[in-house]
Amino acid sequence: AQTVTQSQPEMSVQEAETVTLSCTYDTSESDYYLFWYKQPPSRQMILVIRQEAYKQQNATENRFSVNFQKAAKSFSLKISDSQLGDAAMYFCAYRSGATNKLIFGTGTLLAVQP
Amino acid sequence: DTGVSQDPRHKITKRGQNVTFRCDPISEHNRLYWYRQTLGQGPEFLTYFQNEAQLEKSRLLSDRFSAERPKGSFSTLEIQRTEQGDSAMYLCASSLGGSPDSQYFGAGTRLSVL
Repeated sequence: AQTVTQSQPEMSVQEAETVTLSCTYDTSESDYYLFWYKQPPSRQMILVIRQEAYKQQNATENRFSVNFQKAAKSFSLKISDSQLGDAAMYFCAYRSGATNKLIFGTGTLLAVQP
Repeated sequence: DTGVSQDPRHKITKRGQNVTFRCDPISEHNRLYWYRQTLGQGPEFLTYFQNEAQLEKSRLLSDRFSAERPKGSFSTLEIQRTEQGDSAMYLCASSLGGSPDSQYFGAGTRLSVL
């Protein structure tokens, strides 16, 4: 069975600095997708960035980028120029190409210090 | 595009009562998902619809849980004979299909069973 592990329960970053959130996953499949979602306190989950496993190029969305290491089964999220609004719980998620369900990690709570 | 809408936002019920939640997906999305999220955890998959057909169900979805999507638009999730262990946030998501078929989430319904 596929699993997603986020080993950092909490992280903190200074405003305008860069922070990297870690995610590892376990799968024997070759066709899959990876996602990072942001869940602000008491607000809905927002899709931050996505990566197709067959793409070698790391995905980038404005200040958010990923470091996708397929052989190591690692999918970290880098947030550049951190802003107060980035404070949230961040979830890494995996989806097999054969199913439609997302498998989530336990999340990393990011605090942004002014 | 009004996003995924869930109703109610909060529900408090007594143990043994039945509850029903509603989800309205993004209008052009033909896929709809239900997840359950408990405190400090990532969401867990419950079930998935493509149009009106329920194509995948988790073993988490006991016989007290039933989900429907009768006309391929909105969906309902009913929990019969609620138990205290059912207390959680119930999240709905929708997607358009294709690749990578990103899922977009609603704000959730928070259920408290007393």
